[in-house]
Amino acid sequence: QSALTQPASVSGSPGQSITISCTGTSSDIGSYNLVSWYQQHPGKAPKLIIYEVSERPSGVSNRFSGSKSGNTASLTISGLQVEDEADYYCCSYAGRSAFWVFGGGTKLTVL
Amino acid sequence: EVQLVESGGGLVQPGGSLRLSCAASGFAFNIYTMTWVRQAPGKGLEWISYISSIYNTIYYADSVKGRFTISRDNTKNSVFLQMDSLRAEDTAIYYCARFPRQDAFDIWGQGTTVTVSS
Repeated sequence: QSALTQPASVSGSPGQSITISCTGTSSDIGSYNLVSWYQQHPGKAPKLIIYEVSERPSGVSNRFSGSKSGNTASLTISGLQVEDEADYYCCSYAGRSAFWVFGGGTKLTVL
Repeated sequence: EVQLVESGGGLVQPGGSLRLSCAASGFAFNIYTMTWVRQAPGKGLEWISYISSIYNTIYYADSVKGRFTISRDNTKNSVFLQMDSLRAEDTAIYYCARFPRQDAFDIWGQGTTVTVSS
């Protein structure tokens, strides 16, 4: 069982926007602005798309955005494209007891 | 090109050992913290170990503590994971990842597959 809770799947049509939630606790997401998000296509390594809750690495589309409220972080993808279809994972620092914890992943289907 | 390349995976019997390597290129390896993250078949990601750039500060997830040992050789731009007392539940793809500022894993290798089975 993953430390952070994500929906197993979400779907959307091209051009639409979707949001993936990532729920933790006051010991991880609620205590640190160290939430990151990763995109993983089948058979490929994960790719960093959001760090420090809402920062985008160089080269990542501005269609990807992140936010946090309380113990829940969110990833929003706007203007969905077919190539966005992938698994998405959230991650948070959880202090010196658990260090870094991931969500179970969300499969995004672009219909 | 910034790159991480893992090697050393394979099939091993329960109770056996393996040593994974991760070779870095294209960046100043010696100033970066490095980590290992694994992914069991069909499952999510799990952080398992961390080694700082200097002073060799090291952390492990509880699931591997006492069985796995992380190390690095800055002269060879490499990080290693010695895995002992392997169990079936250690079967996974093992990724090494760069960890600048300890806020996110920004560069990942392609992974190396470890299968623990008799």
